[in-house]
Amino acid sequence: DTAVSQTPKYLVTQMGNDKSIKCEQNLGHDTMYWYKQDSKKFLKIMFSYNNKELIINETVPNRFSPKSPDKAHLNLHINSLELGDSAVYFCASSPAMNTEAFFGQGTRLTVV
Amino acid sequence: QKEVEQNSGPLSVPEGAIASLNCTYSDRVSQSFFWYRQYSGKSPELIMSIYSNGDKEDGRFTAQLNKASQYVSLLIRDSQPSDSATYLCAVKGGGSYIPTFGRGTSLIVHP
Repeated sequence: DTAVSQTPKYLVTQMGNDKSIKCEQNLGHDTMYWYKQDSKKFLKIMFSYNNKELIINETVPNRFSPKSPDKAHLNLHINSLELGDSAVYFCASSPAMNTEAFFGQGTRLTVV
Repeated sequence: QKEVEQNSGPLSVPEGAIASLNCTYSDRVSQSFFWYRQYSGKSPELIMSIYSNGDKEDGRFTAQLNKASQYVSLLIRDSQPSDSATYLCAVKGGGSYIPTFGRGTSLIVHP
């Protein structure tokens, strides 16, 4: 009965690899997000996706790309991983534009 | 660019006291305001949402919003050690539906 679920929970990989993180929400929400939380715990928006409209934070490297096969899924693909990509990545969703966001359990990515 | 400011803390209060957490935001047309709690190693969990000026109470938690001063606060009454966590303020609106988060305030409730 998990509302927003991400897989995997932990991901350890080498520099230069390509990896994906999956996110699914069963809440029927229209909007989904990806956030990056760094070691200082700051939650920084990476992408938001609403009714097929993608908004990208311009500071996010183009090695990161979101993929939404349908309204319930927003996956994150990362190419050519770098050490600085190590962080916790959170997927979230909202039922409507001005309402609260609900978070998945997070994916701790470690690049070695 | 929308900014949300919080004192990083840590804010230390004794058990049973009132903890007061503050947040200011830069975008005057922001419409929706949220408080999240995040335990170490866990995901942010929504505590309160508030949309209009004034107070909103839910159990031991009270959110206060003052749009004129661009200020939102969270009061935790009868603080418990289990309330020890990082509290994140988030703001939405003003033409953007993307929640912008502050850096969070670390709260420590000591027995």
